[in-house]
Amino acid sequence: SQQGEEDPQALSIQEGENATMNCSYKTSINNLQWYRQNSGRGLVHLILIRSNEREKHSGRLRVTLDTSKKSSSLLITASRAADTASYFCAIREGNMLTFGGGTRLMVKP
Amino acid sequence: GAVVSQHPSWVICKSGTSVKIECRSLDFQATTMFWYRQFPKQSLMLMATSNEGSKATYEQGVEKDKFLINHASLTLSTLTVTSAHPEDSSFYICSARAINEKLFFGSGTQLSVL
Repeated sequence: SQQGEEDPQALSIQEGENATMNCSYKTSINNLQWYRQNSGRGLVHLILIRSNEREKHSGRLRVTLDTSKKSSSLLITASRAADTASYFCAIREGNMLTFGGGTRLMVKP
Repeated sequence: GAVVSQHPSWVICKSGTSVKIECRSLDFQATTMFWYRQFPKQSLMLMATSNEGSKATYEQGVEKDKFLINHASLTLSTLTVTSAHPEDSSFYICSARAINEKLFFGSGTQLSVL
C-alpha cells in the first residue's frame, strides 16, 4: 500500500534526550508531512517537506527526506515532557493523502 | 486492521449547492472524529472535532453554519458544506479515534466547486 509506515511504534526517553522517528513509503510522492497528536486532540501540523527538499528545520524539529530510500526522519532535540504525543507522517501523492500508524512518544520528566 | 471509509472521494458541484461528505468507521466505534481541510500545496488544517451525540467543536476561523457536522452514531460522522463556493474547493479528510486512542484516517474527498 501507499501508506507511510513509522518506526518505532513507541518510544520512551528522558527529558533532554533527542527523539528520532522514521517514516518509510513505497512510491513517489509530492510531499511528506509530519503531524503531532496530543491525547484526545486532533492533529497538529509540524512540518511539510517537498520531494525536492532534503532537510527542513523548525525550532527543535528537524526533518530529513531521502527520496532514493523512500524514507523520512523526524528528530526532536532536547525533548520536553510536553513533547509526549503521537507523531504521524503523511504522504501526498497526487490527490491522495495517506497516513502511517504513528509513533507514540513518551518523554519522562 | 481498522478502516475508515470516506465517501465520496471526488465531487464536483455548482456554486450555491450543498455537499455532504460521509465518514464511517467500519469495524470499530469512534467516540471522536476529526475533520480536516487541505488546500493545494498546504498542510492539513483541523476544522472541527466531533463527539458522538454532541455538538462539534470548531477551530477558530471555521464557520459552523457553513460546515455542518453531524456525529449521529459511533460509526458515522458527516460534514456538509452548505452553499458551496469556489473558495471552498479543497481536499477534506476525516479521522476517527478508536477506544484505544489510535487514530485512523479516511482517504479524503476532493471537492471542486464550479
